[in-house]
Amino acid sequence: DQQVKQNSPSLSVQEGRISILNCDYTNSMFDYFLWYKKYPAEGPTFLISISSIKDKNEDGRFTVFLNKSAKHLSLHIVPSQPGDSAVYFCAAAGYMEYGNKLVFGAGTILRVKS
Amino acid sequence: DTGVSQDPRHKITKRGQNVTFRCDPISEHNRLYWYRQTLGQGPEFLTYFQNEAQLEKSRLLSDRFSAERPKGSFSTLEIQRTEQGDSAMYLCASSHGQGNTEAFFGQGTRLTVV
Repeated sequence: DQQVKQNSPSLSVQEGRISILNCDYTNSMFDYFLWYKKYPAEGPTFLISISSIKDKNEDGRFTVFLNKSAKHLSLHIVPSQPGDSAVYFCAAAGYMEYGNKLVFGAGTILRVKS
Repeated sequence: DTGVSQDPRHKITKRGQNVTFRCDPISEHNRLYWYRQTLGQGPEFLTYFQNEAQLEKSRLLSDRFSAERPKGSFSTLEIQRTEQGDSAMYLCASSHGQGNTEAFFGQGTRLTVV
């Protein structure tokens, strides 16, 4: 059973425009959500996180939105840059239930065209 | 460099051989995780240590797999009698503190079983 789903395998965006990556989850015990970026042959790099007590968190060009009722989160990158081209993973954790281990989606490949 | 370090970066082994990977977490982090990633998938949780105690093991971790963190610092992951299905990227991550905090990943060990 896939508890974290990223339904778009890939996304292509023009440089300077907004990139929106989506993620859905099924387990209501998840209370902490993260986005990681991964380049080929490297480990995932932490980007931004959000706790379930918030609905928005911003860090520079990156903003994560959380809709708990819909069990949906999204990552907005504005403006998109060619260096943002990578695989983006959504991950979820539930401290009390899972000891903070992460459950990942399958990833979305983002291509930013210059 | 104070990031998570994994060794080796690449390992090619013949089916049936044993392999051991090492992970050195960020020094002040008391939590250490092992994940496995196969092509087209997100990382999958294998096991979790809080200091030297192994607190959780995934069903993915068959009896051929064993992990240790003897002094609460570095960790090893051993795979005995390797099979072709063990070919994957093995990722180590560490995090600190109580509650929800982001995990930082190493660059991974790419295992190929031939």
